[in-house]
Amino acid sequence: AQTVTQSQPEMSVQEAETVTLSCTYDTSENNYYLFWYKQPPSRQMILVIRQEAYKQQNATENRFSVNFQKAAKSFSLKISDSQLGDTAMYFCAFMKAAGNKLTFGGGTRVLVKP
Amino acid sequence: NAGVTQTPKFRVLKTGQSMTLLCAQDMNHEYMYWYRQDPGMGLRLIHYSVGEGTTAKGEVPDGYNVSRLKKQNFLLGLESAAPSQTSVYFCASRTSGPYEQYFGPGTRLTVT
Repeated sequence: AQTVTQSQPEMSVQEAETVTLSCTYDTSENNYYLFWYKQPPSRQMILVIRQEAYKQQNATENRFSVNFQKAAKSFSLKISDSQLGDTAMYFCAFMKAAGNKLTFGGGTRVLVKP
Repeated sequence: NAGVTQTPKFRVLKTGQSMTLLCAQDMNHEYMYWYRQDPGMGLRLIHYSVGEGTTAKGEVPDGYNVSRLKKQNFLLGLESAAPSQTSVYFCASRTSGPYEQYFGPGTRLTVT
């Protein structure tokens, strides 16, 4: 079974600064997908970014980028130029390429301070 | 296009009561999921469905039943609610590819 670990329960960052969230996972699979989801106080789950394991290039979506280290089984999320609206819980998730299910980490709470 | 909707948004039950949560999606997605989220934790999969008429157990299926009689609907039932089932329940759906899951707004259930 796959496991996803987020070792930082909570992080705070000043507005306009950069914060990096860590995620490690354990799997014997070679082909898989990794995701970061954002859950703001509204409770809605929103996809932030997705990475295919077979792609060496790190995914980027506007101010969000990942550092995918396949050998180390690490998938960190960098939020640049942090905005107040980035305040939320962030969840890392894993899915096998031929699978049906997402496995979530425990989440990291990010607080952006003005 | 409403996406994924959940009914109801809030509910309070007494121990032993039963209820059904309804999830509906209008995106013609094959896969549908039910998760629970407890305070300070990530989402845990309860049951899921890979198509109309199919269901499968997830990580924490005990005490829940599901049905997928129509492709657009996925029902989650609690036959005899327990305080341990107090949680926020999320429904999600996705296409058959390895794409993102689209989540509903959640249902907050309290069992007293």
